[in-house]
Amino acid sequence: EDKVVQSPLSLVVHEGDTVTLNCSYEVTNFRSLLWYKQEKKAPTFLFMLTSSGIEKKSGRLSSILDKKELFSILNITATQTGDSAIYLCAVATYSGAGSYQLTFGKGTKLSVIP
Amino acid sequence: SAVISQKPSRDICQRGTSLTIQCQVDSQVTMMFWYRQQPGQSLTLIATANQGSEATYESGFVIDKFPISRPNLTFSTLTVSNMSPEDSSIYLCSVEGGGRPDTQYFGPGTRLTVL
Repeated sequence: EDKVVQSPLSLVVHEGDTVTLNCSYEVTNFRSLLWYKQEKKAPTFLFMLTSSGIEKKSGRLSSILDKKELFSILNITATQTGDSAIYLCAVATYSGAGSYQLTFGKGTKLSVIP
Repeated sequence: SAVISQKPSRDICQRGTSLTIQCQVDSQVTMMFWYRQQPGQSLTLIATANQGSEATYESGFVIDKFPISRPNLTFSTLTVSNMSPEDSSIYLCSVEGGGRPDTQYFGPGTRLTVL
């Protein structure tokens, strides 16, 4: 059974801090790893990573994948209160006939306090 | 990315009743996905809906409990049948996005509470 584990489950930081969120996985037929930000109900897409060692960046957020050690990290620098959300990690795996499936971790709940 | 809307955004229902959730996309998409997120849990895929064919259900989900329609390339419905309090969840539809493989974009979700 495919498994995606995120840590920590929750995190409280002060504005301006830097945080690192972790995602490890055990899956068969890996295709890619994705990060989402969930505020209220709908997850919004952040990054998709397919290759080891290539950092994806978007403003203060960055992410990197290690396919040998089967994990990814999401870094957020100079955190702001608007970064408060649940961050979800998902792994896409081949599921036959050219299709794929996403398996989600439980998420890391980040709270940024002023 | 596609713009996705869902209706209703939230509902409170009595046990034993059924609720149909609608998902509308502003562009034609081949595959639409339905997820459930129970309180404190992660997203779990219920089924994948392709236009013109029966939905494919994941282990633990059955068509009698969660019938899905996919009448065209921009619309799908998920019905939660004979509801119990354990069905209280957020229900989300998603679609694959704009030329970016594996990436799914999510609708705003439906928060269902069953009393």
